[in-house]
Amino acid sequence: EAQVTQNPRYLITVTGKKLTVTCSQNMNHEYMSWYRQDPGLGLRQIYYSMNVEVTDKGDVPEGYKVSRKEKRNFPLILESPSPNQTSLYFCASSLGGGSYEQYFGPGTRLTVT
Amino acid sequence: AQSVTQLDSQVPVFEEAPVELRCNYSSSVSVYLFWYVQYPNQGLQLLLKYLSGSTLVKGINGFEAEFNKSQTSFHLRKPSVHISDTAEYFCAVKIYNFNKFYFGSGTKLNVKP
Repeated sequence: EAQVTQNPRYLITVTGKKLTVTCSQNMNHEYMSWYRQDPGLGLRQIYYSMNVEVTDKGDVPEGYKVSRKEKRNFPLILESPSPNQTSLYFCASSLGGGSYEQYFGPGTRLTVT
Repeated sequence: AQSVTQLDSQVPVFEEAPVELRCNYSSSVSVYLFWYVQYPNQGLQLLLKYLSGSTLVKGINGFEAEFNKSQTSFHLRKPSVHISDTAEYFCAVKIYNFNKFYFGSGTKLNVKP
């Protein structure tokens, strides 16, 4: 089944403790992206990747890191999480090359205390 | 900066009534436009997209949208809604030749029996 998977689905952590949210797609998509969803703000793009080793900032990249060492994986790293990073996070992928339909993962709900 | 405005945060409607969810965007250059639906506790799913050609776009589940370049709008419509259409709907924009996506703040559609 074609899908985007994220792990973990739920995470409660404390301020300053480094964490990684994994994202993997099995559709050989070139484009991958991370979003955060906050009430009343919709989805805001954090980082995106056009292909392996090619990443760029979205609208809200502060406090986040990403890497794209393999085509299928695009982990989101919070090196020193803070309470204002409490949010619902979505990973998405699309084929690229003129196809812009994004396929979304199920989401990761992160709480930083 | 680009922006996407969804004018209604909540839209209550009775079953079998028509509905229109409004979306306006700000951009002086060409755009690609999308509507996504999010059911409770799920990721986003593409309803329809406008890339080029006919300004009236048909999507899944009986939804359609019309691109109006002069009014920079992309309103979503359905002639007769069902209880199962209860969800949150997001309008999104991709600027031609740029790789970022911009989402609106969402409209919660509540279909009542």
